[in-house]
Amino acid sequence: DTAVSQTPKYLVTQMGNDKSIKCEQNLGHDTMYWYKQDSKKFLKIMFSYNNKELIINETVPNRFSPKSPDKAHLNLHINSLELGDSAVYFCASSPSTDSGNTIYFGEGSWLTVV
Amino acid sequence: GQQVMQIPQYQHVQEGEDFTTYCNSSTTLSNIQWYKQRPGGHPVFLIQLVKSGEVKKQKRLTFQFGEAKKNSSLHITATQTTDVGTYFCAYSSDYKLSFGAGTTVTVRA
Repeated sequence: DTAVSQTPKYLVTQMGNDKSIKCEQNLGHDTMYWYKQDSKKFLKIMFSYNNKELIINETVPNRFSPKSPDKAHLNLHINSLELGDSAVYFCASSPSTDSGNTIYFGEGSWLTVV
Repeated sequence: GQQVMQIPQYQHVQEGEDFTTYCNSSTTLSNIQWYKQRPGGHPVFLIQLVKSGEVKKQKRLTFQFGEAKKNSSLHITATQTTDVGTYFCAYSSDYKLSFGAGTTVTVRA
């Protein structure tokens, strides 16, 4: 059983397009995240939701809009894609926001903007 | 803000040799976690260290948390090709887990 699943795994799109990445976790966790990993493998948190409520927004451009319809799902919509948005986007979840919680990552969505 | 520095950024190891990667912070950490990401894969949790001076072992991997809780290390003995990947340390603060830049390990057979 896949714990954190995200789709699509690969996405190639043109500049200016709008795209969405979907994420679901079946671990019963309260907290979900989106991380961005650039070409140098640096992992940076973008957003965090706890029980459907946004708790962290790390100065991500407004073109990125997360949506959490319920605590098992956290989708990411990106408007007006730019070349610099090319990266791997990881969805993740943890039991709660408590310090020391393990984070479980999805397999990643490879976004290439051309 | 608080951040951790991982050194080295790249580690090229001969199969069978040992190596150590370090994670250093300028401030005291409440805990430190280590994750491994295989090439083309996603980060996977390895271990968490909480106590000052804590040492934990997983087979050939030894994790240590410094006495001052400002640094941590991962030591791998008798490196194997399965050890290839990027090792990240991560720390908790402000309701989030922040990652170091990682040490990418390649192994020469």
